[in-house]
Amino acid sequence: KNQVEQSPQSLIILEGKNCTLQCNYTVSPFSNLRWYKQDTGRGPVSLTIMTFSENTKSNGRYTATLDADTKQSSLHITASQLSDSASYICVVIPPAGYQKVTFGTGTKLQVIP
Amino acid sequence: NAGVTQTPKFQVLKTGQSMTLQCAQDMNHEYMSWYRQDPGMGLRLIHYSVGAGITDQGEVPNGYNVSRSTTEDFPLRLLSAAPSQTSVYFCASSRGTSGGETQYFGPGTRLLVL
Repeated sequence: KNQVEQSPQSLIILEGKNCTLQCNYTVSPFSNLRWYKQDTGRGPVSLTIMTFSENTKSNGRYTATLDADTKQSSLHITASQLSDSASYICVVIPPAGYQKVTFGTGTKLQVIP
Repeated sequence: NAGVTQTPKFQVLKTGQSMTLQCAQDMNHEYMSWYRQDPGMGLRLIHYSVGAGITDQGEVPNGYNVSRSTTEDFPLRLLSAAPSQTSVYFCASSRGTSGGETQYFGPGTRLLVL
């Protein structure tokens, strides 16, 4: 069964600090890997998208990396802000598309002043 | 654009009751889907639709029905609610099924079955 595992489950950091969230997946082959941000009580919102051939993608203070050989991805957040407090979800989409998508369980990030 | 809207935001049901969760999008997206989100688990696909009149089952379809009579609307029906269906339900839409297309999620419906 396809799996997407994320670590850590939760993380607390001080405002202004950097952090890195990890994602390990078994889905193979895949066409896209996305990171989503989910604020409490809201639906997920796409932050970054990478194809299997890309190594890195940035969106402002968010940088996602991908190592297709080791089946690992990471999301790096630079100069964290209080508004970054949310759950971050790694999502792997195979060539079959969203009908066969696998979502990770998420990392809950809390940024404190 | 309102994007993806869901109603109600919160619902309490008794075991055996039925209800319909509403979902609508105003982006003219062909692909729509329903997920449930449970603590400690990733979102799981319940049902999906690739266009009006076409629906199919996802990973966890038992106990749920869907229909797609228009491009805009994709309601999810619980036939006879069970406590195991207590969850947060999200509707999503995208232009197509490819992972290259961005999925837009609604705000969710929190369902409690007693």
